[in-house]
Amino acid sequence: AQSVAQPEDQVNVAEGNPLTVKCTYSVSGNPYLFWYVQYPNRGLQFLLKYITGDNLVKGSYGFEAEFNKSQTSFHLKKPSALVSDSALYFCAAKAAGNKLTFGGGTRVLVKP
Amino acid sequence: GAGVSQSPRYKVAKRGQDVALRCDPISGHVSLFWYQQALGQGPEFLTYFQNEAQLDKSGLPSDRFFAERPEGSVSTLKIQRTQQEDSAVYLCASSDRGGPWTGELFFGEGSRLTVL
Repeated sequence: AQSVAQPEDQVNVAEGNPLTVKCTYSVSGNPYLFWYVQYPNRGLQFLLKYITGDNLVKGSYGFEAEFNKSQTSFHLKKPSALVSDSALYFCAAKAAGNKLTFGGGTRVLVKP
Repeated sequence: GAGVSQSPRYKVAKRGQDVALRCDPISGHVSLFWYQQALGQGPEFLTYFQNEAQLDKSGLPSDRFFAERPEGSVSTLKIQRTQQEDSAVYLCASSDRGGPWTGELFFGEGSRLTVL
């Protein structure tokens, strides 16, 4: 069975500092990997995806993620965090079928 | 509308009541998904429609849960004889392609169900 793990419940970072949100996955076959963000009282929003190709994927709002097959990781990164990046972030994976498997989420708090 | 719309946003039900949750996907979107999100957890897949066909219902937790999309647009998730463990946020998402591997699912804000 496929699974996605986000080992940190919360990440605190000062505004302007780099932000990293960790994700590891366990799927059979080639994974399709995604990051979504959930702002308060808003629906989940797509940030970026890895399907194939370049291991470094760029997405919305200055976010990027690096696919590492040997470490089965897909960490989300942003070089300089903003207070407005404070939200709940979910990593997700798709293998066979039409369903996404989500991690438990990581709350990001960016302090001014 | 411009996005996925879900109603009601909040529903309080007494244990044993039936509830119906509605999802209006983005116009023209072929694929529609229902997810259940318990407090403090990530969304968990319930069921998937392509147009009016329910292609995957493997995530429905029991036969008390039923989903339909009779005309390939609006969908309803029905929960019969609600139990306390059904308390969660129910998320609907749609996609304009035949599957989520194209990447972008558009989610509604969810329907929060509380069963007393």
